[in-house]
Amino acid sequence: ILNVEQSPQSLHVQEGDSTNFTCSFPSSNFYALHWYRWETAKSPEALFVMTLNGDEKKKGRISATLNTKEGYSYLYIKGSQPEDSATYLCAFLAGTASKLTFGTGTRLQVTL
Amino acid sequence: NAGVTQTPKFRILKIGQSMTLQCTQDMNHNYMYWYRQDPGMGLKLIYYSVGAGITDKGEVPNGYNVSRSTTEDFPLRLELAAPSQTSVYFCASRSGTLSYEQYFGPGTRLTVT
Repeated sequence: ILNVEQSPQSLHVQEGDSTNFTCSFPSSNFYALHWYRWETAKSPEALFVMTLNGDEKKKGRISATLNTKEGYSYLYIKGSQPEDSATYLCAFLAGTASKLTFGTGTRLQVTL
Repeated sequence: NAGVTQTPKFRILKIGQSMTLQCTQDMNHNYMYWYRQDPGMGLKLIYYSVGAGITDKGEVPNGYNVSRSTTEDFPLRLELAAPSQTSVYFCASRSGTLSYEQYFGPGTRLTVT
């Protein structure tokens, strides 16, 4: 069983704060690391798919980095807005590449 | 493109009843998945398929069955529904290409009473 851990479990920030979360995954047999954004009562939507060590991806105010050698990825949100409130999931794709293993997510709440 | 569609959106079942959750994708994806959302536990994989005619168990397959007769459809069958199967069920699909993300359906909220 692959272990994908996310921290913190939940986070409450003020509008305008910058924040970051961590995803830890096995450092061996790496294929890809996915990040998803999951709003309440909706379905998860992909933010990034990262495949190479040292990868950095950016979409607006959200960015992510990847370190496959040590088995972690960071997701950064700059200048948080209330609409960023969601659960952020990471998912690890191992060498067999047939199924993702999801972390339990970081729940972000941004208040005015 | 419709993407991944699921029916029904909501359903209430009595204990012991059976039902099929439908999932269809129009992106010609080989990989399809069924997850359930358990509170505080994120997504748990029930079953998955890497292509038509091929299915395999995920983490929590007990009480469920699947079939994959076409590339587009991946129905999930609940036999003898139990209260523990009350959950939100998500179907998802993915291209076999390494760098492609997974697409999720809108979910089916199932209550077993």
